Amino acid sequence: AQTVTQSQPEMSVQEAETVTLSCTYDTSESDYYLFWYKQPPSRQMILVIRQEAYKQQNATENRFSVNFQKAAKSFSLKISDSQLGDAAMYFCAYRSAFAGGTSYGKLTFGQGTILTVHP
Amino acid sequence: GAVVSQHPSWVICKSGTSVKIECRSLDFQATTMFWYRQFPKQSLMLMATSNEGSKATYEQGVEKDKFLINHASLTLSTLTVTSAHPEDSSFYICSATAGASTEAFFGQGTRLTVV
Repeated sequence: AQTVTQSQPEMSVQEAETVTLSCTYDTSESDYYLFWYKQPPSRQMILVIRQEAYKQQNATENRFSVNFQKAAKSFSLKISDSQLGDAAMYFCAYRSAFAGGTSYGKLTFGQGTILTVHP
Repeated sequence: GAVVSQHPSWVICKSGTSVKIECRSLDFQATTMFWYRQFPKQSLMLMATSNEGSKATYEQGVEKDKFLINHASLTLSTLTVTSAHPEDSSFYICSATAGASTEAFFGQGTRLTVV
């Protein structure tokens, strides 16, 4: 079974600064997807960024980028130019690329990191 | 992106009664839907996976007779909490995927309070 670990229960950052959220995972599979989700106080889950394991290039979405280290099974999220609206709980998630079985599409989440942005 | 609508957004029920939560994919056919439970400031815990037209697959430790899941169509899955008790109070979230899509679309969640 796959596991996802976020070792930082809480992080804080000053507005306009950069912060990095850590995530490690464990899997025996070679092909999979990794995601970062944001859950603001409204509790609506919002996809921030995704990475396909077979791609070596790190994904980037505007101010959000990842550092994907496949051998180390590490997948950190960097938020640049932090904004007050970035304050939320962030979840790292894993999904197998195996297209079979009744649990196809199942996401395994980390424990989450609460990010506070100070003005 | 695709929209998943979850209803109701919150519900209060008396202990011993049952409550149904609906999860609808509004603009795509959801071959698979997932139901999660989340306690405050904690992660999402998968309860069950629901495939259209077949029985749901429950995660270990989840009582299938207590949390009834029905996925009768490609756009609707329901979670019924039967004989609810205060310990069932939680935030329930559904998500849906469309076949080979790599993205899961989430509903807004339902806050259940059992009094």
